[in-house]
Parts: sequence; C-alpha cells; structure tokens
Amino acid sequence: KQEVTQIPAALSVPEGENLVLNCSFTDSAIYNLQWFRQDPGKGLTSLLLIQSSQREQTSGRLNASLDKSSGRSTLYIAASQPGDSATYLCAVRPGSQGNLIFGKGTKLSVKP
Amino acid sequence: GAGVSQSPSNKVTEKGKDVELRCDPISGHTALYWYRQSLGQGLEFLIYFQGNSAPDKSGLPSDRFSAERTGGSVSTLTIQRTQQEDSAVYLCASSFFISGGVTDTQYFGPGTRLTVL
Repeated sequence: KQEVTQIPAALSVPEGENLVLNCSFTDSAIYNLQWFRQDPGKGLTSLLLIQSSQREQTSGRLNASLDKSSGRSTLYIAASQPGDSATYLCAVRPGSQGNLIFGKGTKLSVKP
Repeated sequence: GAGVSQSPSNKVTEKGKDVELRCDPISGHTALYWYRQSLGQGLEFLIYFQGNSAPDKSGLPSDRFSAERTGGSVSTLTIQRTQQEDSAVYLCASSFFISGGVTDTQYFGPGTRLTVL
C-alpha cells in the first residue's frame, strides 16, 4: 500500500531564507507526483507536477525534484516571502489508479 | 475561466440526516474526484469518475456514501444517515484527462465543510 510522508510537519523561517520541504513515498511505481499549497480554509492550489520520467520541474521561485527509485521528492523554495506561508502537500498518483495519495503536509510560516 | 465550484460552502446537519454535496468541475474536464479532509488527517480519496467509464468507488468508507455524475459534468456526493465521524471538509477536483502527463494536474474546489451534530 502506497504511503506518503512529509517532513517536517511544521517549519518556521525568517523572510528571505531558502528552504527545502521533503516528501517520501513507499512504492516507486508512480505515474506522477504533484505539489500543492493549501491556505487556511481554502482548497488546494497546484504548484508543480513531475511526471515519473522527469527529474525536476521549476516554476518561478519553486523547484521540485523527483528521485523515483529512492521514493523521494523535494520542494525547494528560494527567497521565501511571508506570502509563502501555507501548508504544502505532496501527492503521488499510483501507477494503476487515477486518484492521488496525499501526505499530511508541511505547515510553513515565513516571518517578516 | 471559472474554476471548480462546490456548494454549499458550509453544511451543518443532525446525526441521521442525509446530505447532498455538489461539485461543478472545470468545463471540458473529463475526470472528477472527491476527497475528504478530516481534522488532523490527510486528504483521503473517496471516488473518481473518468468520462463514461464506471466510477472507481474504492475509497468510499461505507455504503452510506454514494456519488453520481450527470451528463459528464456536475457531480453530487450523497451521505445517508450521517454520523459524527463524517464531519470533514469534502473537496472536489477535476482534471482534463487521466494520462500521467501535465494534463493530469488536478484542480481543486474550495470544499464543503460538513458538520454533523
């Protein structure tokens, strides 16, 4: 059974720092991996999708990497800003299913 | 364009009552998903629809839960005889189609917060 784990559960950093969020999954047979952010009381916003054949994806200050063989992904946020404060969720699409399996998220707080 | 919309945004009901939650996906998206997010829990898959295929119901927690998708667009999630443990945020998502590629990105609605008293 696929399980997704995110470490740390919470992170507080001063504005301007570069930071890394970690995601691990137990079964390397995935179609893709997606990173989302969730603001309090809101739905999820898609940040990046990495296909199983890719190693990384970049969007602005965000860079996500995927090492499928070791079951790991990282989300790198450069020059963090208070507006980046949110919960970041990692999700994998298992090879045989269309739904996503989510980690419990990392709650990020960026202090001005 | 318009994103995924859900209604109602909040629903308070009494234990034992039935509830219906609605989801309007992004126009043209053929795949539609329901998830729920309980306090302290991660997002849990419930059911998904892809085109005209039979839905994948493998995530539904009990036979009190059902969903339908009419005309390949709007979907309704029905919970019968609600229990307190059904209290959660129910999230709907849609995607263009299930291919494994970038079009697989799921777009989420704002959710319906269900409280069962």
